[in-house]
Amino acid sequence: QSVLTQPPSVSGAPGQRVTISCTGSTSNIGAGYDVHWYQQLPGTAPKVFIYGNKNRPSGVPDRFSGSKSGTSASLVITGLQAEDEAVYYCQSYDSSLSGSWVFGGGTKLTVL
Amino acid sequence: QLQLQESGPGLVKPSETLSLTCTVSGGSVSSSAYYWGWIRQPPGTELEWLGNIFYSGTTYYNPSLRSRVTISVDTSKNQFSLKLNSVTAADTAVYYCTTLTSSDPRYSWFDPWGQGTLVTVSS
Repeated sequence: QSVLTQPPSVSGAPGQRVTISCTGSTSNIGAGYDVHWYQQLPGTAPKVFIYGNKNRPSGVPDRFSGSKSGTSASLVITGLQAEDEAVYYCQSYDSSLSGSWVFGGGTKLTVL
Repeated sequence: QLQLQESGPGLVKPSETLSLTCTVSGGSVSSSAYYWGWIRQPPGTELEWLGNIFYSGTTYYNPSLRSRVTISVDTSKNQFSLKLNSVTAADTAVYYCTTLTSSDPRYSWFDPWGQGTLVTVSS
C-alpha cells in the first residue's frame, strides 16, 4: 500500500477538465514537503510534469497545473487531449522511518 | 544535458545478488549538485524508491530494503551502482537510475531518468 494515495483511474472526453488527487499525511505532504508529478507513457521512464507543487518544466503544456493544500495535492489537466492518456504519479518526501522518498500508486488517465 | 544509462544482467537467479550500473554523461558523479539514485517498478505496478547516494558517500536507503541494498559511486568511471542481495521473484522489475536535483533533496524531484532495464529473477 502506497504512502501517498491516488485514485487508480480517471477519465474524460477531449476538451474536458480532469483532476487527479494525491492524499498524504502529516509526515509527508502535511509536513510541508513539496509534491511532484510524473507522466509515464507505456514502455517509457516517468517524466516530471510538475515540480515544487505547481511549477511546469519547459515543454510541458500550460494545460497542466498543480496545487497543494494541507495533506493533499492535485494535478489538474484542462482541455484534455488524446496525447495526455498516460499514468500519472505523485511523489514527495516522508520524514517517518528515518526518511524516504515516496510515490503514489499511480492514476491511469483515459481520454474517452 | 545530464543523461543516465543503466546496464547489467537481465536475468538473476534467486538468492543471488542483482548488480546494475548507471553511466552518467553530461555531468560528474563527483558533483555536489546531485543525489544519485535508483527506483524500480515491478511489471504493471507502481514506482518504488530504493535509495540515493551523495558524492560524499552518504547514502539513503528505503527502510524496507535497507538490509539488502547497497549503492556506491565509481568516480574513475563516472558511474554509480546498485547491489541488491538475496533476490527473489518479488525483485523482478524495471530498474531506473535517476537523480535528485536540489540543494535540499527532501524537496527535490527525480530528473532525469535512465531508460530503465528489466531484471528478471528466475532459475
